[in-house]
Parts: sequence; structure tokens; C-alpha cells
Amino acid sequence: SAVISQKPSRDICQRGTSLTIQCQVDSQVTMMFWYRQQPGQSLTLIATANQGSEATYESGFVIDKFPISRPNLTFSTLTVSNMSPEDSSIYLCSADLAGAGAFFGQGTRLTVV
Amino acid sequence: KNEVEQSPQNLTAQEGEFITINCSYSVGISALHWLQQHPGGGIVSLFMLSSGKKKHGRLIATINIQEKHSSLHITASHPRDSAVYICALRQGAQKLVFGQGTRLTINP
Repeated sequence: SAVISQKPSRDICQRGTSLTIQCQVDSQVTMMFWYRQQPGQSLTLIATANQGSEATYESGFVIDKFPISRPNLTFSTLTVSNMSPEDSSIYLCSADLAGAGAFFGQGTRLTVV
Repeated sequence: KNEVEQSPQNLTAQEGEFITINCSYSVGISALHWLQQHPGGGIVSLFMLSSGKKKHGRLIATINIQEKHSSLHITASHPRDSAVYICALRQGAQKLVFGQGTRLTINP
């Protein structure tokens, strides 16, 4: 199994500001994933982050709004930039361990006011 | 039609009842995950299945690849089982495709 530590667990931010969410995995993983879960909805993939290369973004998500870093095989950050109330969501990071399945962080509950 | 459908969307039961949550899908998969999400937002991976049946404590997960159907069962349910249960599909090495979730409430 794997443990993924995600922080912050929650934050309330002013519109127009940016928030960086961090995820630390206790094992080396090739790919990490960032998801958004809007209220009452299922998870939507924002991007896939590979170490040493640019993140791959899903349709509807762009690097300028959600820049991602992946400096090594155990760590990644997602920044939510120039926030608006529509960005209020739970953000989750995830990693796959071969044969062991998918593991998730504790989630970051973001409220933009 | 969604690639993965869960039923029911909401389920309320009394403590001790046997719970079944269903997941049907329409695509070929390499694995199916059952996930549990508590109100704080964090997600715990309960099972990863590619065939047959798995059991962990009071939880049992089954999958029928031919019928493209999986079930999650909870025996002797308890209020602490109250959560959203999510079925997620993996196709090969692709990203996960998530069901809409089943909100389970167990009353004492």
C-alpha cells in the first residue's frame, strides 16, 4: 500500500489569489493524478503529472490556470491560479502502485470568497 | 449512456442490515476499483478487482467480467460505514473512469 499526504486539508481564499496544494507519496511512483470534485459531483481528472516532463491536461483544463510541478518521484504540487468562486471544490491527488491499485490523498477543500 | 452506472444513488438503512451497492459498465476494463469517500473528502481504496471475489473484514466485492457488473456488499452495517462509495474503472493503463457514487447512510 501507499500513503499520500496532502495539504492543506482545507482553505478559504480570496478571489484573484492563488493556492498551491502539495502531495507527498511515501513510495516512488511514475504517474500522479490531480482531480477536482465539485459539490455533489464525481471526480474529474485535471491532469496527469509525470516526473521530468510537462503535465498532460484534460480537456477544459489549462496550464495557466492549474500549473503543476513534479520535481521527483514522490512529490507533486497543483496551483489553482487567479481563483474565482467557481473554483470552490475538493481537489485530490492520486497515485497508482502497480498491482496494488489507486491511492488518494486526503483532499483539499477549497472555498473561494 | 455513461460508461459506468452505480445504483442506488442513495441508500439509507438501519444498523446491522446487509448492504449491496451495484456497478454496471459498458466497456472493457483491466480492473475495477471500489472507493470510499468520507465527508471530509479523503478517499480510501477498498478493493481492486479484475475477477472473482475479494473480502476484507465486513466488506465483500465481486465482479462478473462477462456481465460487466460488480457489487460491493457490507455485512452487519454500522453507522461508521456511512460514506459515499464509488466504483471506478481502469481500461489498460488509462486513467480511471468514476461512477457517480452511492451515498450510504446507516442509522443507529
